[in-house]
Amino acid sequence: SAVISQKPSRDICQRGTSLTIQCQVDSQVTMMFWYRQQPGQSLTLIATANQGSEATYESGFVIDKFPISRPNLTFSTLTVSNMSPEDSSIYLCSVDRQGAGEQFFGPGTRLTVL
Amino acid sequence: AQSVAQPEDQVNVAEGNPLTVKCTYSVSGNPYLFWYVQYPNRGLQFLLKYITGDNLVKGSYGFEAEFNKSQTSFHLKKPSALVSDSALYFCAVSLTGGGNKLTFGTGTQLKVEL
Repeated sequence: SAVISQKPSRDICQRGTSLTIQCQVDSQVTMMFWYRQQPGQSLTLIATANQGSEATYESGFVIDKFPISRPNLTFSTLTVSNMSPEDSSIYLCSVDRQGAGEQFFGPGTRLTVL
Repeated sequence: AQSVAQPEDQVNVAEGNPLTVKCTYSVSGNPYLFWYVQYPNRGLQFLLKYITGDNLVKGSYGFEAEFNKSQTSFHLKKPSALVSDSALYFCAVSLTGGGNKLTFGTGTQLKVEL
């Protein structure tokens, strides 16, 4: 498995502001993933982040709203921009460390937008 | 396209009884199948996976799952449930594994009672 940490663990933000979530992994990984889990819902993939290239976004998610950085093989950030109450969710990062298919998840960032 | 269905929002079982959490999938190719568990206020934990080989796979905490290609199912099972197994369980599928995106089911809340 991989040790993955996220910061912040939770935050309460005002409408119209932005929040940057950090994801740190204890070893180098090629691919990192960002998911959203809305209240009472399943996980939905936002984007896949590869080091040294632009993130690949899933349908319904755009770079202007969810810009992602991947400066090195152990770190990534996801920004939730111009937030609205509908952005209230848990945001999780994950890695496929061994290339064997299973992903390991960080503890999540619980975001509440007022 | 790939999709996962978990037909039961909640499963209730008495401690000591066997449990089954159902999952069916749809992919245009050979599936990689996964089960994850989410305890309250905690991140997602990997339980087990099917990639190839034996249709019965064993995972953490005494859980197992059976891959049935003809029925496109991957049900999670445990011979004897524990109260501590109470959690939210997610089935997930990817098409090729090894870093490809996971598509999650809607989750099944398992409640094990004394």
